Amino acid sequence: ELKVEQNPLFLSMQEGKNYTIYCNYSTTSDRLYWYRQDPGKSLESLFVLLSNGAVKQEGRLMASLDTKARLSTLHITAAVHDLSATYFCAVEKKSSGDKLTFGTGTRLAVRP
Amino acid sequence: GAVVSQHPSRVICKSGTSVKIECRSLDFQATTMFWYRQFPKQSLMLMATSNEGSKATYEQGVEKDKFLINHASLTLSTLTVTSAHPEDSSFYICSAPSTGWNEKLFFGSGTQLSVL
Repeated sequence: ELKVEQNPLFLSMQEGKNYTIYCNYSTTSDRLYWYRQDPGKSLESLFVLLSNGAVKQEGRLMASLDTKARLSTLHITAAVHDLSATYFCAVEKKSSGDKLTFGTGTRLAVRP
Repeated sequence: GAVVSQHPSRVICKSGTSVKIECRSLDFQATTMFWYRQFPKQSLMLMATSNEGSKATYEQGVEKDKFLINHASLTLSTLTVTSAHPEDSSFYICSAPSTGWNEKLFFGSGTQLSVL
């Protein structure tokens, strides 16, 4: 059974600081996604990572994938308050019919 | 980009009634759609996979008679919560995969169901 774990579960950070969210998964995967969710809202797609060593960046967020370690990271650079949200990673295996298994989520609070 | 429309966004109902949630792919065809449930401050859990023209596939522990799924066309899937109870109160989200391998999945805006 595929398991996806994130840490930390909760992160309070100061504006301007850097931090990394980690996503570990238990079996090989075909795609790994990162999503953002604001309270009471649906998911906003951030990144999709397909292969080992993939790195994608958008604004202050950068995601990477190490398939050998079964690890993805979401790095936040110089955090701003607008980044406060819950971030989920999700793993997809084609053999399971494109179903996603979501991580536990990381609730990020950026304080002034 | 592709858009998935979900309605209603919020519904409050009495215990024992049924509630229907619609999920539409607006500019692409979706032979498959997924239904997720999210309890407060928890992750998303897959409930079922909706398949156009055939029966839905339910995840273990999800009651198929309680959560009826109908994939009536290539652009519409519905989830009906039958005889709703307070413990069914949750945030329900649908998603549909696009056809491109490198495309992101598209999620509906979600439905907050509150059963009194």
